[in-house]
Amino acid sequence: GAVVSQHPSRVICKSGTSVKIECRSLDFQATTMFWYRQFPKQSLMLMATSNEGSKATYEQGVEKDKFLINHASLTLSTLTVTSAHPEDSSFYICSARDVHRGHTDEQYFGPGTRLTVT
Amino acid sequence: GENVEQHPSTLSVQEGDSAVIKCTYSDSASNYFPWYKQELGKRPQLIIDIRSNVGEKKDQRIAVTLNKTAKHFSLHITETQPEDSAVYFCAASINNRGAAGNKLTFGGGTRVLVKP
Repeated sequence: GAVVSQHPSRVICKSGTSVKIECRSLDFQATTMFWYRQFPKQSLMLMATSNEGSKATYEQGVEKDKFLINHASLTLSTLTVTSAHPEDSSFYICSARDVHRGHTDEQYFGPGTRLTVT
Repeated sequence: GENVEQHPSTLSVQEGDSAVIKCTYSDSASNYFPWYKQELGKRPQLIIDIRSNVGEKKDQRIAVTLNKTAKHFSLHITETQPEDSAVYFCAASINNRGAAGNKLTFGGGTRVLVKP
């Protein structure tokens, strides 16, 4: 199947600083990518839909000024957590569909980024 | 928007027994229903999926059934093995062919423990 990578895999930052997480589709072009957040022992919650060349669409309750999304190319979306606080500590996962691969419905997930804010 | 509920939240079975996880969804327009297995600290892995034009799908020890009228779908794992222990998530989405912006709504997850 298609491959999605994320970088970094884990990051520790101090409260008040910003952290950037990258999501890349390695062998396909992704006009749309999705960003999820997963707290310990909880489900994946969609934060936003990242659209190449246009603004991201945020889910209700997600602050767009705090979670900045940039989808500057067909293979890269970035999520920047600005002014991070301990409550932002979570597992952040991105995903994308390869709509050109035989009409598959499957979404391909990145390996996730563990963010810890101290 | 779509709401997906999943039961049970935890499931303990003896090795060799079957495990069943059930999900309900709210949006009758949803047409794609994947199931994921997630191990601690890892990405969700697709184990089986079904589209709304199919009532049942099977892949070796794993099967999924869909009842569109009742808006519920279930995962069945037969002959469970210790390596089946993980968290399982159901999800639903409205998938349009060729369109990439079809977001998944996840159920709350089921922690499955297979005891040897």
